[in-house]
Amino acid sequence: GAGVSQSPRYKVAKRGQDVALRCDPISGHVSLFWYQQALGQGPEFLTYFQNEAQLDKSGLPSDRFFAERPEGSVSTLKIQRTQQEDSAVYLCASSLRFSSGSENEQFFGPGTRLTVL
Amino acid sequence: AQSVTQLDSQVPVFEEAPVELRCNYSSSVSVYLFWYVQYPNQGLQLLLKYLSGSTLVKGINGFEAEFNKSQTSFHLRKPSVHISDTAEYFCAVNKLTGGGNKLTFGTGTQLKVEL
Repeated sequence: GAGVSQSPRYKVAKRGQDVALRCDPISGHVSLFWYQQALGQGPEFLTYFQNEAQLDKSGLPSDRFFAERPEGSVSTLKIQRTQQEDSAVYLCASSLRFSSGSENEQFFGPGTRLTVL
Repeated sequence: AQSVTQLDSQVPVFEEAPVELRCNYSSSVSVYLFWYVQYPNQGLQLLLKYLSGSTLVKGINGFEAEFNKSQTSFHLRKPSVHISDTAEYFCAVNKLTGGGNKLTFGTGTQLKVEL
């Protein structure tokens, strides 16, 4: 595709509901990242995939957060039993390769704004 | 672990004036440095990056940044701003080695360009 897309763009959930956020990375991009951006803050790393393998999930704030990328392309971030503190913008990014060189530029999607009431 | 400090949360400036957005980082290892811009309700767009080589890096939209290793800084500058530059700007780092290239971001600087 032309860029990273995310859906839905906006999600309102009642506290305790489960939500699923989808990310479609740029076609052919090996690496995929999820970040959480709270209001007035910079994005914070949640988790990282290389193809279908989840290599780093150190940023997931609790065991209510779960991410998958079963076929190495589309990824889903799932939040179970949502809490008010989960309200944030969830950003997805992809990069061409797993590399520390110039090919590691991350391209970001527009984000999903989650509001938990 | 790496950290990024953006001391200025908001920077107001008049159109056509110069601007500098400050970024300082700390890391026990060598890092790559990035500036991203975020327009309202949009994702992050890369402005410029420093990987190696010349410490003065030029990016899109007339922005440039200078890497200063001794001062651990990577300040962003533009000689003449435009109304359309109004946005949130984020400085970020990632490690050169150790696997993975997750970004660590600062808290952002809101640039507001006024007529």
